[in-house]
Amino acid sequence: QQPVQSPQAVILREGEDAVINCSSSKALYSVHWYRQKHGEAPVFLMILLKGGEQKGHDKISASFNEKKQQSSLYLTASQLSYSGTYFCGTERVGSGNTGKLIFGQGTTLQVKP
Amino acid sequence: NAGVTQTPKFQVLKTGQSMTLQCAQDMNHEYMSWYRQDPGMGLRLIHYSVGAGITDQGEVPNGYNVSRSTTEDFPLRLLSAAPSQTSVYFCASSYSSGFSYGYTFGSGTRLTVV
Repeated sequence: QQPVQSPQAVILREGEDAVINCSSSKALYSVHWYRQKHGEAPVFLMILLKGGEQKGHDKISASFNEKKQQSSLYLTASQLSYSGTYFCGTERVGSGNTGKLIFGQGTTLQVKP
Repeated sequence: NAGVTQTPKFQVLKTGQSMTLQCAQDMNHEYMSWYRQDPGMGLRLIHYSVGAGITDQGEVPNGYNVSRSTTEDFPLRLLSAAPSQTSVYFCASSYSSGFSYGYTFGSGTRLTVV
């Protein structure tokens, strides 16, 4: 049930781009993306609902391929503040899954000067 | 607005003791959830609720009980603490599905069972 994230870890230089992937074997209703800094609570970045839309948030955007049940998070021109662990969370299709958000294992992103 | 408030922030328990982790939100969110986070394991769902009086089990519910008598509060009870329950616990809340809102997390409770 748990979505699978890849890669597990990424190291970047400031200004470089990164892509984090999230995939599920089950039909998804929504995909959430969160960032967590060390010792802090996760913070919501964006949500993609069933429908294959793409969203943007400053230089961070995401897509959702409904047919493949995959989502990707794109970080463009990375900044030091982008460092942290990124989690995708998925909510499956079906009334029994309403409100049940399951997270992937996380991707650790480190941006160096 | 305070958002999601968790108490206590830190707790040390002896094996076999019971306790309740408190969670309250003031955003009128329908959904509330409890997660535990262990190193390298990500966030694992313990229990969740889609409204007052409605709760369901998540991925790792054993050893924990919940109830939701009001929209605002969603306490998590540890029945008989075990060292395996040493973890950081996060409470989160959100509006119902279908809206472009994510979950707001509390600051967490760091629990150690000795």
